[in-house]
Amino acid sequence: EIVMTQSPATLSVSPGERATLFCRASQTVHNYLAWYQQKPGQAPRLLISATSTRATGIPARFSGSGSGTEFTLTISGLQSEDFGTYYCQQHEDWPLTFGQGTKVEI
Amino acid sequence: QVLLQESGPGLVEPSGTLSLTCSVSGVSITETSYYWAWVRQSPGKGPEWIGAMHSRGSVVYNPSLNSRVAISVDPSKNDFSLTLTSVTAADTSIFYCATLYYSSGRCHHFDYWGQGILVSVSS
Repeated sequence: EIVMTQSPATLSVSPGERATLFCRASQTVHNYLAWYQQKPGQAPRLLISATSTRATGIPARFSGSGSGTEFTLTISGLQSEDFGTYYCQQHEDWPLTFGQGTKVEI
Repeated sequence: QVLLQESGPGLVEPSGTLSLTCSVSGVSITETSYYWAWVRQSPGKGPEWIGAMHSRGSVVYNPSLNSRVAISVDPSKNDFSLTLTSVTAADTSIFYCATLYYSSGRCHHFDYWGQGILVSVSS
């Protein structure tokens, strides 16, 4: 299976700053990469699909980039509601797999 | 508005069978753009995809659970179900049902999620 590795495990950021999260795949997933945000006690929420396409209602401060095995999620001008844990997920091959997450905290 | 809601027992005995149902509203379960999926998440860990089924009958399971898992779709009730057999404490997780977007012959991302249900395996 394709193993997804996220870094860093925890990211401490102040409101208004930029946060950069990384996701690496153990083999190429081309651009078949999605990002989710999860807050405590809630289900994950789709942020970005196909590497860089924001889901409906997702603010423009969230952007995704990358291809092949290296991907980045950037949150520009972090707001208080953006704190939580972020997961990447590949949909290049079965089984679908997620990373272990990056926790964004104050 | 697409809504999904999991239901089922919150406690299952070791070696028993876990059975959950996901009630779907806002979209027909015969919608061809979706596979109907189950995902679980153990405390402090990333989500783990369990499996998914299309209303036309195609089904895919995670090989790590393949021999113990079954997913079925019921168009008459607009819901779908998960069965996991021979459970152990390691199966204790929050279980989510979700829509898995399907297009151009490929499954993609999980659009909509239920709120999740905690299932504990314990005697």
